[in-house]
Amino acid sequence: DAGVIQSPRHEVTEMGQEVTLRCKPISGHNSLFWYRQTMMRGLELLIYFNNNVPIDDSGMPEDRFSAKMPNASFSTLKIQPSEPRDSAVYFCASSFKGQLEAFFGQGTRLTVV
Amino acid sequence: AQTVTQSQPEMSVQEAETVTLSCTYDTSESNYYLFWYKQPPSRQMILVIRQEAYKQQNATENRFSVNFQKAAKSFSLKISDSQLGDTAMYFCAFMKPRAFGNEKLTFGTGTRLTIIP
Repeated sequence: DAGVIQSPRHEVTEMGQEVTLRCKPISGHNSLFWYRQTMMRGLELLIYFNNNVPIDDSGMPEDRFSAKMPNASFSTLKIQPSEPRDSAVYFCASSFKGQLEAFFGQGTRLTVV
Repeated sequence: AQTVTQSQPEMSVQEAETVTLSCTYDTSESNYYLFWYKQPPSRQMILVIRQEAYKQQNATENRFSVNFQKAAKSFSLKISDSQLGDTAMYFCAFMKPRAFGNEKLTFGTGTRLTIIP
């Protein structure tokens, strides 16, 4: 398996624009997580899904952020409108119950100017 | 809510020496899992080692071992015979189990480890 695949690896956008980050989890994994990493706040969970259903979205900063998982092999994290303070590395991770380990993608470095 | 504390922002050690990274956590759960993740400059998050709270025996993975003190809520990582490739950010993380699927990871703030040649 190719592991968790995130796209794009890097994204530079202007303030106010819509940004969509994409994630393909490892086949067969039933949990998917979106984390954000910043210097100030470290690694923090934004939202996670079990069996495509959102379980905990309390980490989503505000209504500008939304996440979907339309099927077991694809998830998106959307920011609309984007702001400079959204600049961070966004990680997607997936896991399978009984395996414990969460496998992370390479992350998307988002820069909002 | 669970919290994870790493009190050493940065550490450095000579190649081939042993280094210990500290981690403490706070939880009211009795069953949980603890992890150490490594993040090299490539940005990839890599699992180094994990510990199940119900196991008294400390986990080991080659040169990596932990000292798990459940009563003290302490979970330190020892790297023996350190190598240049061990240079990375190291994150301690906590997870409680769920009935279906896995629960989220709560991370510490990380320790930046530099191995000096």
